[in-house]
Amino acid sequence: EADIYQTPRYLVIGTGKKITLECSQTMGHDKMYWYQQDPGMELHLIHYSYGVNSTEKGDLSSESTVSRIRTEHFPLTLESARPSHTSQYLCASSEFYGGNEQFFGPGTRLTVL
Amino acid sequence: AQTVTQSQPEMSVQEAETVTLSCTYDTSESDYYLFWYKQPPSRQMILVIRQEAYKQQNATENRFSVNFQKAAKSFSLKISDSQLGDAAMYFCAYRSVDREYGNKLVFGAGTILRVKS
Repeated sequence: EADIYQTPRYLVIGTGKKITLECSQTMGHDKMYWYQQDPGMELHLIHYSYGVNSTEKGDLSSESTVSRIRTEHFPLTLESARPSHTSQYLCASSEFYGGNEQFFGPGTRLTVL
Repeated sequence: AQTVTQSQPEMSVQEAETVTLSCTYDTSESDYYLFWYKQPPSRQMILVIRQEAYKQQNATENRFSVNFQKAAKSFSLKISDSQLGDAAMYFCAYRSVDREYGNKLVFGAGTILRVKS
């Protein structure tokens, strides 16, 4: 079944650690997105990609980086995690053209101690 | 830049009753898309309903319908016959058709909907 997956679902780590949040989709979508969402708050776009080897920064500045080497895979990396990075990270994907919806993954809830 | 405003941080509704969630937006564009997304507690965000600005007819999906007032830049969501499973955070979102903005969504702050049995 076509879907969008995120791992891990929950992550608790110490300050200074390098982490990678995984996002994969099996829907054949060209466009992928990363959003940051604090509990009970709105979503803020931090990264997006139009296809392989395409990455752009979103509206909210983030110390994270992303890569898009394969169409289905869009990982997000934090080189040195800090408590200020504690948040929920949502991955989404959509078709390239049209008003089609963005499909969201289940999210990764990150806590940095 | 476009903005989306949801003025109701929290709403409550009795099971089987009707509730309306408000959303206003600001844009200088004449063509765009509007969405309502639902985010249940600890579960995946899903699309509830979508409206294309060039269509005058209000979108409807089963118990969910919108009141799209383009001149007033208003896009409210009506949930009829509310069910316990409707309890969630609801986000209103705007998407430009301008390729400069790609498929990026601008979200409102969200409205928490509680359903009482």
